[in-house]
Amino acid sequence: ETGVTQTPRHLVMGMTNKKSLKCEQHLGHNAMYWYKQSAKKPLELMFVYNFKEQTENNSVPSRFSPECPNSSHLFLHLHTLQPEDSALYLCASSQDTSGSYNEQFFGPGTRLTVL
Amino acid sequence: QQQVKQSPQSLIVQKGGISIINCAYENTAFDYFPWYQQFPGKGPALLIAIRPDVSEKKEGRFTISFNKSAKQFSLHIMDSQPGDSATYFCAASRSGGYNKLIFGAGTRLAVHP
Repeated sequence: ETGVTQTPRHLVMGMTNKKSLKCEQHLGHNAMYWYKQSAKKPLELMFVYNFKEQTENNSVPSRFSPECPNSSHLFLHLHTLQPEDSALYLCASSQDTSGSYNEQFFGPGTRLTVL
Repeated sequence: QQQVKQSPQSLIVQKGGISIINCAYENTAFDYFPWYQQFPGKGPALLIAIRPDVSEKKEGRFTISFNKSAKQFSLHIMDSQPGDSATYFCAASRSGGYNKLIFGAGTRLAVHP
């Protein structure tokens, strides 16, 4: 266990559905991240939050909407997704985003399938 | 310039052999180079990392070799074991970059008994 949990672990949704992914970290960290992992592609950083403030939006389509109510919780709200959005969505946390040496701890991911 | 190129895409090694995975980068501002290991059904986990002020770092059977002039770094797994079978990702980040990691595409390693 890395101290980062994600729910649900698997999600199947239609293109017109609205769903949310949840991430919780028990490490006392102040930064949280969403990544997308597609087959045969590098992990893509989507969003970064530091002390609840969004510091990075990596040109992610608006059908993905992040929310960070506190430093321990991170949500990814999904609506009107496309089949190409099917992927493993990973959450990570780190102490904060200062410097370049803050280890990121990853959760197990949510396997999303869009029909 | 933000890319990290990783090779090979997949690798098969016999038990006890040496596994070698290579990465190359373009951005000379990168100053932190971690390797992550991912098992099926799990998220990536930090395996070993290096900063460009050293040319090599060793932790147990895992060694990073770093060539700053060539902008390349590699992971060597000595005495490879079936339990090392996983996907390995190299990554890079820079100071002042908000801890943003740029990942390679990954290498799927299979160690056969």
